Amino acid sequence: QSVLTQPPSVSGAPGQRVTISCTGSSSNIGAGYDVQWYQHLPGTAPKLLIYANSNRPSGVPDRFSGSKSGTSASLAITGLQAEDETDYYCQSYDSSLSGSVFGRGTKLTVL
Amino acid sequence: QVQLVQSGAEVKKPGASVKVSCKASGYTFTTYAMHWVRQAPGQRLEWMGWINAGNGNTKYSQRFQGRLTITRDTSASTAYMELSSLTSEDTAVYYCARPRNYYDSSGSYFNWYFDLWGRGTLVTVAS
Repeated sequence: QSVLTQPPSVSGAPGQRVTISCTGSSSNIGAGYDVQWYQHLPGTAPKLLIYANSNRPSGVPDRFSGSKSGTSASLAITGLQAEDETDYYCQSYDSSLSGSVFGRGTKLTVL
Repeated sequence: QVQLVQSGAEVKKPGASVKVSCKASGYTFTTYAMHWVRQAPGQRLEWMGWINAGNGNTKYSQRFQGRLTITRDTSASTAYMELSSLTSEDTAVYYCARPRNYYDSSGSYFNWYFDLWGRGTLVTVAS
């Protein structure tokens, strides 16, 4: 099954910078498809953070940024705040699935 | 207000079917598709399929072929996800999500992202 690989957890102190990686394969990110990022507090609707690899929807702080290279993508969060502590998911299109694939999610802990 | 409001939690026995609704408001329902995504306990988000709310065309993940039916009622601006032959592995939170479709900068790759989500519907399958 096509999947995207994320680290299960990352952590950082308030004010610091963290990055979350998302590694795919030749049928999704490596094939050229874009990566999207979501913030998800369990029990609530997921929130779009980054679309088309590096674009922020209106209302998302510029502390959040995204990039993509080869078969991987990254979400960077600078100036960590307590409110950033939640789960983050990457998503891409997969040609073998003809649909979306997601990462398993990364739990961000603000120390 | 632009939102997707889903139906309430369900408890089903193995072998039964469940039908979850997703009512759209604040935008023209038939202009967009509607996708369904689920998340089982401790698992990743899993894409299930989508419906073109305008013409009713559907596309399902192979994992759910034969068990999943996505429909819509344009007069009610509501999409429905029905999953049959339930097992305990179908216990999950089910989300509806509105996509924004686009081609990348090269014009070669069709992508989508979900800019609007419902809050989820917990479906528990237990005997």
